[in-house]
Amino acid sequence: ETGVTQTPRHLVMGMTNKKSLKCEQHLGHNAMYWYKQSAKKPLELMFVYNFKEQTENNSVPSRFSPECPNSSHLFLHLHTLQPEDSALYLCASSQGQGGATEAFFGQGTRLTVV
Amino acid sequence: GDSVTQMEGPVTLSEEAFLTINCTYTATGYPSLFWYVQYPGEGLQLLLKATKADDKGSNKGFEATYRKETTSFHLEKGSVQVSDSAVYFCALSYSGGGADGLTFGKGTHLIIQP
Repeated sequence: ETGVTQTPRHLVMGMTNKKSLKCEQHLGHNAMYWYKQSAKKPLELMFVYNFKEQTENNSVPSRFSPECPNSSHLFLHLHTLQPEDSALYLCASSQGQGGATEAFFGQGTRLTVV
Repeated sequence: GDSVTQMEGPVTLSEEAFLTINCTYTATGYPSLFWYVQYPGEGLQLLLKATKADDKGSNKGFEATYRKETTSFHLEKGSVQVSDSAVYFCALSYSGGGADGLTFGKGTHLIIQP
């Protein structure tokens, strides 16, 4: 148990569906992140939120829409995805700028787009 | 931009063998360096870290030294166990993972045979 919980663990969706991934951290951290893990590629940082404000968007397509209503919760809203978006989506949190160095990861959501 | 390069594997060793996983980086500044480990079906866990040149990170028998002159952070363990089988990721961050996110290598799949 790392203190970062992601739901669902597995998700299969069609290209016309709309779904959301949820991440919750119980560590009192102020920064939260979404990463994409695809086979044979490095983990890709998608979005960064620090004190609920989005501070980084690494050229992610608009079919991925993040939401951070408070420092403990992070969502990734998905719509009209493509099969190449199938991957493991990892959420992480850390204390935030000026804080400690360690990032804690959730177990991930395995997404399959059909 | 910044990048991390590591041997991809799979690396297959016998139990009690000596382990080295190479990691080199390119960076415009002076980042903190990390090794993360991912066991099957789980998210990433921080294994060890080093925040400045010549620092040595260590944990669970694993060690890595921050070498600025060779821009390297090689992971070593004197005697591996079957339970060390996992995927190992080298990563860097300027805020120490504080709020800027991590840049990862592609990961090295380690297989330890009894």
